[in-house]
Amino acid sequence: GAVVSQHPSWVICKSGTSVKIECRSLDFQATTMFWYRQFPKQSLMLMATSNEGSKATYEQGVEKDKFLINHASLTLSTLTVTSAHPEDSSFYICSARDPQGSGNEQFFGPGTRLTVL
Amino acid sequence: AQSVTQPDIHITVSEGASLELRCNYSYGATPYLFWYVQSPGQGLQLLLKYFSGDTLVQGIKGFEAEFKRSQSSFNLRKPSVHWSDAAEYFCAVGAQAGTALIFGKGTTLSVSS
Repeated sequence: GAVVSQHPSWVICKSGTSVKIECRSLDFQATTMFWYRQFPKQSLMLMATSNEGSKATYEQGVEKDKFLINHASLTLSTLTVTSAHPEDSSFYICSARDPQGSGNEQFFGPGTRLTVL
Repeated sequence: AQSVTQPDIHITVSEGASLELRCNYSYGATPYLFWYVQSPGQGLQLLLKYFSGDTLVQGIKGFEAEFKRSQSSFNLRKPSVHWSDAAEYFCAVGAQAGTALIFGKGTTLSVSS
């Protein structure tokens, strides 16, 4: 099946710094990618929809100036957490749909654990 | 609005016993339905999916799920649970192609020996 990678798999940063997380579709082109956030022992909550070549669409309550999303190519979307604070510590997961696939199957990256000190 | 309900937060079953995890969805038309499994600190692994056709779908690791339109349910089953099945299980629903998935809150499965 299609593969989605994320980098880094984990990151620790100081409060006030910015962190960039990459999401790549390795063997297919994805015009749309999704970014989810997962708190410990909770479900995945959609943060935003990343569209190649256009602005991301953010879910209600998600600060677009804090969580910058750039979908610069058909295989890469990045999420930058700006001026990170401890409350931003979470597990961030991206997904992408293979346009050649059936239905609405999406492929998930392995996730990035962000810890803000 | 679409939603997914997983009524059971935590289930414990004995190794070798059968398992059923419940999932109910709310959606106007026939949705795309998924079950994912997540081990601690890991990403999501797709167990199985339903788009159309046969309402009983087979997945990986011996799992199966049955789509019941009249009950708006998509319950996950396994006839004999192994200790390695202990994990978090998420049911998800998606609308038309290209839209994000909506996840249930998850069910934690513990397996006792």
